[in-house]
Amino acid sequence: AQKITQTQPGMFVQEKEAVTLDCTYDTSDQSYGLFWYKQPSSGEMIFLIYQGSYDEQNATEGRYSLNFQKARKSANLVISASQLGDSAMYFCAMREGMDSNYQLIWGAGTKLIIKP
Amino acid sequence: EAGVVQSPRYKIIEKKQPVAFWCNPISGHNTLYWYLQNLGQGPELLIRYENEEAVDDSQLPKDRFSAERLKGVDSTLKIQPAELGDSAVYLCASSSQEDRGRGTDTQYFGPGTRLTVL
Repeated sequence: AQKITQTQPGMFVQEKEAVTLDCTYDTSDQSYGLFWYKQPSSGEMIFLIYQGSYDEQNATEGRYSLNFQKARKSANLVISASQLGDSAMYFCAMREGMDSNYQLIWGAGTKLIIKP
Repeated sequence: EAGVVQSPRYKIIEKKQPVAFWCNPISGHNTLYWYLQNLGQGPELLIRYENEEAVDDSQLPKDRFSAERLKGVDSTLKIQPAELGDSAVYLCASSSQEDRGRGTDTQYFGPGTRLTVL
């Protein structure tokens, strides 16, 4: 079974509109972390935002916020006031557990295109 | 603060040739990762180092891939001999053990090396 599911392979959004990128996850661990990364066409994987499983507040970083719904196991990324430079691949990833053998589990990504 | 540095950015070789990629992590980050990313997919972990020790290399195809991090800082990933299927982007990332202790560990990535095997 997929541990990280991103159901939107691609999205077109008008500039200045808000965008929600979906991510659902599957884990039996109580302690885990959720990450969103942006990968523009240049190839670099850019860290955007992090949410810990015990964090009570939704994480926010500038125009990025993470809509964390623990019971539904979803961690959607919200980008407010989208800009042309937001066009990129977006990956959701999860880190399970706290022991030394953890690793990031990645979703397949969503390609976001912002239209002028 | 300087980010993760990788070189080269692009490499084109013929099959059966050797190739090496270099990575310099963020200063102070003792955990280093090498990932492979195929087009349209998420990264796949090849190997993870804690300081100079490879603590997870279960996904590294050891018949042709090798890696080293001799002094616990820079790392080199080598493929010998390269095959057509090795064409991909090779990403290096680093993170801090201190952040992991707080449960906020974040992996920071370099720009990657795009390998094309002809």
